[in-house]
Amino acid sequence: AQSVTQPDIHITVSEGASLELRCNYSYGATPYLFWYVQSPGQGLQLLLKYFSGDTLVQGIKGFEAEFKRSQSSFNLRKPSVHWSDAAEYFCAVGMDSSYKLIFGSGTRLLVRP
Amino acid sequence: EAGVAQSPRYKIIEKRQSVAFWCNPISGHATLYWYQQILGQGPKLLIQFQNNGVVDDSQLPKDRFSAERLKGVDSTLKIQPAKLEDSAVYLCASSLGVRLGSLVYNEQFFGPGTRLTVL
Repeated sequence: AQSVTQPDIHITVSEGASLELRCNYSYGATPYLFWYVQSPGQGLQLLLKYFSGDTLVQGIKGFEAEFKRSQSSFNLRKPSVHWSDAAEYFCAVGMDSSYKLIFGSGTRLLVRP
Repeated sequence: EAGVAQSPRYKIIEKRQSVAFWCNPISGHATLYWYQQILGQGPKLLIQFQNNGVVDDSQLPKDRFSAERLKGVDSTLKIQPAKLEDSAVYLCASSLGVRLGSLVYNEQFFGPGTRLTVL
């Protein structure tokens, strides 16, 4: 069955430090992969997506993610975190046949001043 | 461009009562989704519409939940009767849901959600 695992429930980083959020997926075919961010009381906003091609994907707000097929991973990175990045981050895999998204359980990012 | 609209934003009801949520997708988006997001979890798809037809409702508790998308535009999700475990945020999303060349365009745009508390 298709699934997405985000092993870190919470991550705390200092402002200006680098960030990596982990995501592993299980899906038989070529995956469509997404990262969404959710601020308190807000809906989900798409940060970036991978459909095919270059495995390093650039997104909004200075985020990037790298697709590694051999590791079934799609980790999110940012070189320098800003206080406004504090939010919950969700990784998702999209299924080709139905456009259905399966989400991970999320990682809450806390940013220390 | 207007985003996905949802109402109400908050709802508090007692168990066994009924409740309905409304969603208006982005204009021109053929596909509409309802997700349930329980505190501490990722969103879980309840039902997916393509125009006014149901594509996937395998995760919808059909004994108490129902949804419709008349005329293929806005949609209503209803719970009757509500249980304590239905307390969650209900998110609506929409997408174009069309193929562009060899790629499936699958970006979903989310509304702000309705936070339901069942007492």
